[in-house]
Amino acid sequence: GAVVSQHPSRVICKSGTSVKIECRSLDFQATTMFWYRQFPKQSLMLMATSNEGSKATYEQGVEKDKFLINHASLTLSTLTVTSAHPEDSSFYICSAAPINTGTGQPQHFGDGTRLSIL
Amino acid sequence: RKEVEQDPGPFNVPEGATVAFNCTYSNSASQSFFWYRQDCRKEPKLLMSVYSSGNEDGRFTAQLNRASQYISLLIRDSKLSDSATYLCVVIGTASKLTFGTGTRLQVTL
Repeated sequence: GAVVSQHPSRVICKSGTSVKIECRSLDFQATTMFWYRQFPKQSLMLMATSNEGSKATYEQGVEKDKFLINHASLTLSTLTVTSAHPEDSSFYICSAAPINTGTGQPQHFGDGTRLSIL
Repeated sequence: RKEVEQDPGPFNVPEGATVAFNCTYSNSASQSFFWYRQDCRKEPKLLMSVYSSGNEDGRFTAQLNRASQYISLLIRDSKLSDSATYLCVVIGTASKLTFGTGTRLQVTL
């Protein structure tokens, strides 16, 4: 089945550091990937839609200059949390679906990245 | 009103019990519906799709009621391994997923 790989799985770093998270579709191509964030005991919240070859679409309240998204190829999207602060500590997850699947199909999720900012 | 609403629980049930969760959604134009399972500190995993005609997979049955805009998940003969958070997921336009807050299930001996 379709596999999405997310790296790294765990990051602990000092406040002010920028952190890059990678999301790769291993056996399929995806023109669109999605980035979510989940705070403890809360649901996943969509942060942004990553579009291959064009700008990402950000959800309301998500700072695009804070969360930089790059989708340079059909198998890779990256999320960079710039100048991370303790309030950015969260579980970040990406998802994707193969190009040839129709709209309304389930997404395949990466394993998630647990980010802790000290 | 939230786009997707679920009772957060927790639902504490004994092994072997039958338990049902409901989820309501506000956008009548929503296209697809799913139940995902999320274990503590892990990514969500697709449990099953939800159709108006109903969908059964072993001990799990999912149902969609478009008129009332809710979906349900029924788990029969609960196992300890069923303990998890069950997320209701609705897909709208452009494959955008909206998650409910999740319902936590705890199955006990």
